[in-house]
Amino acid sequence: GESVGLHLPTLSVQEGDNSIINCAYSNSASDYFIWYKQESGKGPQFIIDIRSNMDKRQGQRVTVLLNKTVKHLSLQIAATQPGDSAVYFCAENTEMYSGGGADGLTFGKGTHLIIQP
Amino acid sequence: NAGVTQTPKFRILKIGQSMTLQCAQDMNHNYMYWYRQDPGMGLKLIYYSVGAGITDKGEVPNGYNVSRSTTEDFPLRLELAAPSQTSVYFCASSGRARWLHFGSGTRLTVV
Repeated sequence: GESVGLHLPTLSVQEGDNSIINCAYSNSASDYFIWYKQESGKGPQFIIDIRSNMDKRQGQRVTVLLNKTVKHLSLQIAATQPGDSAVYFCAENTEMYSGGGADGLTFGKGTHLIIQP
Repeated sequence: NAGVTQTPKFRILKIGQSMTLQCAQDMNHNYMYWYRQDPGMGLKLIYYSVGAGITDKGEVPNGYNVSRSTTEDFPLRLELAAPSQTSVYFCASSGRARWLHFGSGTRLTVV
């Protein structure tokens, strides 16, 4: 089964409101988490990442929160815009070769964010 | 930099045919990956490589083969195509950072 999953397949928000997309993971050994945005017909695009030694990380209009106690990850998008319409995936990584890199990410199924005018 | 380049973008195969999906990256990344994405699903890892000459199986390797003769290229080979291999295939690479750079994908239909 999947070790990373999302609570809702679709999230509809009003333009200008804040969006919160949630993700649950089951592997307590995971030490690195990433959020990707995938627009229709395109490859996933990196948004923001967070390591397990952090609880919060902010980017431009986005914030990722990590709660290791309940193995929960969330992505907050401030002032949602039409261009934010996409499918959002969380991904986790549990191993890392020395010197950097990864042996692959485990992805959840994704949440489709729909922006209403 | 072009990033990760995948060809072709679209392909229709008949059952039993073979083909190679091409992937190239110009970021000098050591790590490269192939994922498949089925409708409404997340991405599943097929194969990955940590450097030229080294490849390893991912979660769903059956029916596929890869090679990594150079740092830049990581082709994915489908032998004896089956309808279950109808999917969108993404190639990705990573360097010192652990997040992956993805290509734009190859949409494959097996009929």
